[in-house]
Amino acid sequence: EVQLVESGGGLVQPGRSLRLSCAASGFTFDDYAMHWVRQAPGKGLEWVSGISWNSGSIGYADSVKGRFTISRDNAKNSLYLQMNSLRAEDTALYYCAKDMGSYGQGASFDYWGQGTLVTVSS
Amino acid sequence: QSALTQPASVSGSPGQSITISCTGTSSDVGGYNYVSWYQQHPGKAPKLMIYEVSNRPSGVPDRFSGSKSGNTASLTISGLQAEDEADYYCSSYTSSSTLVVFGGGTKLTVL
Repeated sequence: EVQLVESGGGLVQPGRSLRLSCAASGFTFDDYAMHWVRQAPGKGLEWVSGISWNSGSIGYADSVKGRFTISRDNAKNSLYLQMNSLRAEDTALYYCAKDMGSYGQGASFDYWGQGTLVTVSS
Repeated sequence: QSALTQPASVSGSPGQSITISCTGTSSDVGGYNYVSWYQQHPGKAPKLMIYEVSNRPSGVPDRFSGSKSGNTASLTISGLQAEDEADYYCSSYTSSSTLVVFGGGTKLTVL
């Protein structure tokens, strides 16, 4: 059974940093691209970042470019999101999602975690 | 403002068919066959319903179908059931500086 379990969310002050983690199991992690998608309270889905199977291809939404860094450790079956210079508008539920392909260009996410909540507030 | 445009809401009665549109540009929906649709019930994670415009993942009922014409993709649900009531989101690969764009979401109400 595929499982994606996010962790690392919490309450953080504006300008501070937070690192999210996603532990994957039930599939061959290093065969697939992975993504972070967020959803602000009461709002729609927003793609945040994606990384190919070998970390050779990485993309970011314009809203987080230069502040967030995605990475993965295939030996640990884990995906990460380093979030710096956090803003109030980054407040959201952050989902980890598995891509159906290796490079992420298909933009099809067949498994999702339950999300970890990030709240940016003073 | 979302990159892909969806109607805010649609509704239908049980047994009827509804269609949700998703309009983009030639840089995303119109340029690639990489459109996906997701269903999200309140408090739950999204679920993939359609990928690559018209393909259904295993386990998704064939009442759900997808299509595309030009810069607009569509999700059609036939034989509406009460459990179909949810939010639906489209997404697409994009050749812009980002990789993926989502629509703003459509709330489906089954009357």
